[in-house]
Amino acid sequence: QVHLQESGPGLVTPSGTLSLSCVVSGASIRSANWWTWVRQPPGKGLEWIGEIYHSGIANYNPSLKSRVSISADKSNNQFSLRLTSVTAADTAVYYCSRGSPSSGYLSWGQGTLVTVSS
Amino acid sequence: QSVLTQPPSVSAAPGQKVTISCAGDNSNIGKNYVSWYQHLPGTAPKLLIYENYKRPSGIPDRFSGSKSGTSAILGITGLQTEDEADYYCVTWDHTLSALFGGGTKLTVL
Repeated sequence: QVHLQESGPGLVTPSGTLSLSCVVSGASIRSANWWTWVRQPPGKGLEWIGEIYHSGIANYNPSLKSRVSISADKSNNQFSLRLTSVTAADTAVYYCSRGSPSSGYLSWGQGTLVTVSS
Repeated sequence: QSVLTQPPSVSAAPGQKVTISCAGDNSNIGKNYVSWYQHLPGTAPKLLIYENYKRPSGIPDRFSGSKSGTSAILGITGLQTEDEADYYCVTWDHTLSALFGGGTKLTVL
């Protein structure tokens, strides 16, 4: 069974950088899969942030593309999210997941709340 | 506002059937598979349907999916109180981005 676990600071200051990691167990991020970040702002719906393929190819939400990057650390079997120049609008529960819209996002982390505030 | 349009809310009584629509266009649903998720805030979303109509192991056949043209539908029969949740459709779009629908809140009366 694949298990994903998000980790990172729960509080980020405005204009700062949000950094989260997702440790994967039960599967290798070297395997042919998309590794994805999704978020949910308070009171709003789910929003796709971006994904990275095992080959290192990454795709991003056009609305976040100038501020977001996703990278993979194969030696530690984890992938990471970096979001720069954050504002209060980036306050959300952040989820990591494995899969794609076609094959489905079957495995998810439990989510981590990140608050942007001074 | 999402490119994929879902009704904000639907409701039905226990034991009844409900359908949730997801409307897109030829740049997204019209050319790609759709998946559906059940989500209770504060918990991980749960995959219900992938590749338009397939169910993962463990998902009861009360849940069904279909797609026609640029729209997709999630059906739930034999409604149970534990089905009360938010439901989302997801697909690719032509920019190689994933799109989530705006979400539909299901109330089981």
